[in-house]
Amino acid sequence: NAGVTQTPKFRILKIGQSMTLQCTQDMNHNYMYWYRQDPGMGLKLIYYSVGAGITDKGEVPNGYNVSRSTTEDFPLRLELAAPSQTSVYFCASSPRRTGGLEQYFGPGTRLTVT
Amino acid sequence: AQTVTQSQPEMSVQEAETVTLSCTYDTSENNYYLFWYKQPPSRQMILVIRQEAYKQQNATENRFSVNFQKAAKSFSLKISDSQLGDTAMYFCAFMKPRRDNAGNMLTFGGGTRLMVKP
Repeated sequence: NAGVTQTPKFRILKIGQSMTLQCTQDMNHNYMYWYRQDPGMGLKLIYYSVGAGITDKGEVPNGYNVSRSTTEDFPLRLELAAPSQTSVYFCASSPRRTGGLEQYFGPGTRLTVT
Repeated sequence: AQTVTQSQPEMSVQEAETVTLSCTYDTSENNYYLFWYKQPPSRQMILVIRQEAYKQQNATENRFSVNFQKAAKSFSLKISDSQLGDTAMYFCAFMKPRRDNAGNMLTFGGGTRLMVKP
């Protein structure tokens, strides 16, 4: 098992550019999450999904979009990058049987918007 | 909304000694879960310990234990026999379970940077 994988590891974007952060898990987990971690801060939930075709907003969804067409993949889309989106992005997954109590995190993507 | 506060931005401890990290939270809920996560320099988030609010007994995991004071809304982490590998950011987190258990979300504190010195 690779667990939760995220690509890319690092990315620099110019203001106004778009990109997709990829997240894949091979543990057959129903629940998946996207968090962002600003410097010196804790993680904040952007979006989450309880299964293929079902997504919902978290605490800080503005400026982002997600889709969940398969159980394995949960990409995060930034349409018009802004400096405020400079952050480290973490994807996580959780088996349904734990109700989200056991979240397995990916290694993160460090994004800089200049 | 729930809030989680970690009042110690940085702490240090000598190897083999004991250190306690503080966490307080604010909620009107009676049923919830509390967590401590470790984030080493590799950035990987690792679950250290979990506490169910309805359990009075404090959770322990090897060298890690918590002091859960529900009335005071306090949830501190004690690390015994500190090791160099314990050097990391530590985050306290709160989860209020939804009735349907769907998409239970974590609310994180700001973190405490712990340095274990040889």
